[in-house]
Amino acid sequence: EAGVAQSPRYKIIEKRQSVAFWCNPISGHATLYWYQQILGQGPKLLIQFQNNGVVDDSQLPKDRFSAERLKGVDSTLKIQPAKLEDSAVYLCASRRPGLAGGRTGELFFGEGSRLTVL
Amino acid sequence: DQQVKQNSPSLSVQEGRISILNCDYTNSMFDYFLWYKKYPAEGPTFLISISSIKDKNEDGRFTVFLNKSAKHLSLHIVPSQPGDSAVYFCAAKRETSGSRLTFGEGTQLTVNP
Repeated sequence: EAGVAQSPRYKIIEKRQSVAFWCNPISGHATLYWYQQILGQGPKLLIQFQNNGVVDDSQLPKDRFSAERLKGVDSTLKIQPAKLEDSAVYLCASRRPGLAGGRTGELFFGEGSRLTVL
Repeated sequence: DQQVKQNSPSLSVQEGRISILNCDYTNSMFDYFLWYKKYPAEGPTFLISISSIKDKNEDGRFTVFLNKSAKHLSLHIVPSQPGDSAVYFCAAKRETSGSRLTFGEGTQLTVNP
């Protein structure tokens, strides 16, 4: 099966500009996540969708970050305006329902979108 | 508040020897633990997991040990191979809270030929 697709792979912008990232999860995966991974740190959850509804956005800086998953399939994450500290890799992940074999919680990650804010 | 910590940013071992990666957690509500491996320019991939009802889970060369009283888990790789060189992330979750994972900072493992 095809993996989680993300674009763009790399983006360089100046502070106060805006940027958008796109994610297409694995077909049939109802749950979609956006994680932020700052260099030297582990991934941090920004937002979780179940189909097209938000399940958890408690760690999303809502003054500048927004995300949507309008049709319950692909998703976009937007940052406006960007700050220097937003430089990170933005990882999209998906999870299929009803995992068997006890592998609960297994997420499938995309390759990530690396953002550099100058 | 760093609830999952990997105190060793890097580890270097010789091919064929054992690699031991450690992880500590502070939240006693965590009851499911996972290890992910990440190569450069790729997303993390699932490696192995363990439920809090067990203290050991083995999958080929990879074994995860869980010490609930110490809130500590470790990943053993035996024998280590150069292809195992990657960043390893420990992650934890509460089964009742859905699938939200809390990750550690990662440990860069280098296996020398």
